[in-house]
Amino acid sequence: EDQVTQSPEALRLQEGESSSLNCSYTVSGLRGLFWYRQDPGKGPEFLFTLYSAGEEKEKERLKATLTKKESFLHITAPKPEDSATYLCAVQGGSNYKLTFGKGTLLTVNP
Amino acid sequence: DSGVTQTPKHLITATGQRVTLRCSPRSGDLSVYWYQQSLDQGLQFLIQYYNGEERAKGNILERFSAQQFPDLHSELNLSSLELGDSALYFCASSVAWGHEGYTFGSGTRLTVV
Repeated sequence: EDQVTQSPEALRLQEGESSSLNCSYTVSGLRGLFWYRQDPGKGPEFLFTLYSAGEEKEKERLKATLTKKESFLHITAPKPEDSATYLCAVQGGSNYKLTFGKGTLLTVNP
Repeated sequence: DSGVTQTPKHLITATGQRVTLRCSPRSGDLSVYWYQQSLDQGLQFLIQYYNGEERAKGNILERFSAQQFPDLHSELNLSSLELGDSALYFCASSVAWGHEGYTFGSGTRLTVV
């Protein structure tokens, strides 16, 4: 069974203080690893898909990287509007569903 | 607006009752997925439909059922509701079966009292 573990559960940063979120996974035949952002009371918003170890993708202050066992979401010089829950999910094998981690709640203080 | 429409946004009902949640996928998307999100469990996959046919099932209770209609909208039926069924229910859609980057709706918040 596919499993995703995200750490830390919560992270509080000062504006401009860079950090990383971790997503560890086990999956049979990785088809893709996904990062989503979720604001309170809203649906998850797609950020990135990574397909193979060594791949990196960037979007504004966010950069996602992938190894064979984990993915990192690096946040550079965050702003208060980056505050949200960041979700990691994997899709593996012949089962096309996404298996999600429980997320990291990021709070960026001004 | 993600293009995935879910109704109603909020639903309060009593234990033992039955409710129907509705989802209209993004235009052109053939695949619909239902997820349940509770505080302690996170996002849990319930069921997937592709062009009207069931394609994958997750941890969906026997009291729950779903279907996708010819116009591609989907309904999730929850019956004999229990307090523990209180959660956010999300629908997501994608172009094809297993396509990347699902687009999620804004969810239906179900409260069972």
